[in-house]
Amino acid sequence: GESVGLHLPTLSVQEGDNSIINCAYSNSASDYFIWYKQESGKGPQFIIDIRSNMDKRQGQRVTVLLNKTVKHLSLQIAATQPGDSAVYFCAENIGAGGGADGLTFGKGTHLIIQP
Amino acid sequence: DADVTQTPRNRITKTGKRIMLECSQTKGHDRMYWYRQDPGLGLRLIYYSFDVKDINKGEISDGYSVSRQAQAKFSLSLESAIPNQTALYFCATSDSRNLAGGRNEQFFGPGTRLTVL
Repeated sequence: GESVGLHLPTLSVQEGDNSIINCAYSNSASDYFIWYKQESGKGPQFIIDIRSNMDKRQGQRVTVLLNKTVKHLSLQIAATQPGDSAVYFCAENIGAGGGADGLTFGKGTHLIIQP
Repeated sequence: DADVTQTPRNRITKTGKRIMLECSQTKGHDRMYWYRQDPGLGLRLIYYSFDVKDINKGEISDGYSVSRQAQAKFSLSLESAIPNQTALYFCATSDSRNLAGGRNEQFFGPGTRLTVL
């Protein structure tokens, strides 16, 4: 079936470096994407979202890139800090402009920040 | 998110028991969702509700039921719990007024850890 998935289960980066977390999706009908951060023992926390009519969106220290041609989504975190250590999930939705239902989540990437 | 609360936070039960998980929100959102998370996997949608008394099945609804008697509350029941329902359960909310802008941001509660022995 169609699904959202991630390329790497674990990503280790040095504190202060930039990190890039990737996500592949297979449902070409998806028109809305979200990145969530989940810290141990907590629920997912919204980071940034992007609509399918955009290819880039920036937030504070984070940038999401969407390539609809190859169905690829990435999250870039600038100048990573220890507090960025968490599991990051991409999620997709269909019909966000109308009868949207629940999100479809990828499996997650564990980002580890090395001191 | 403190605006979405779940009770209990942890629960251990036995096979065959009936279990109810509660979710409450003070965000004033009309839409509510129940997800389950298994180790090493993303969240999967169990049920969702667009408003009071509206119920829709998600990807993995078998073995579960839900109730939405008030806008602020959405409860999930396991009629006869089985060990493979051991998981983390998350409630989420969203505001349909955001859909006009093409967004469906969902806000999650802290989760309930359920263990079925």
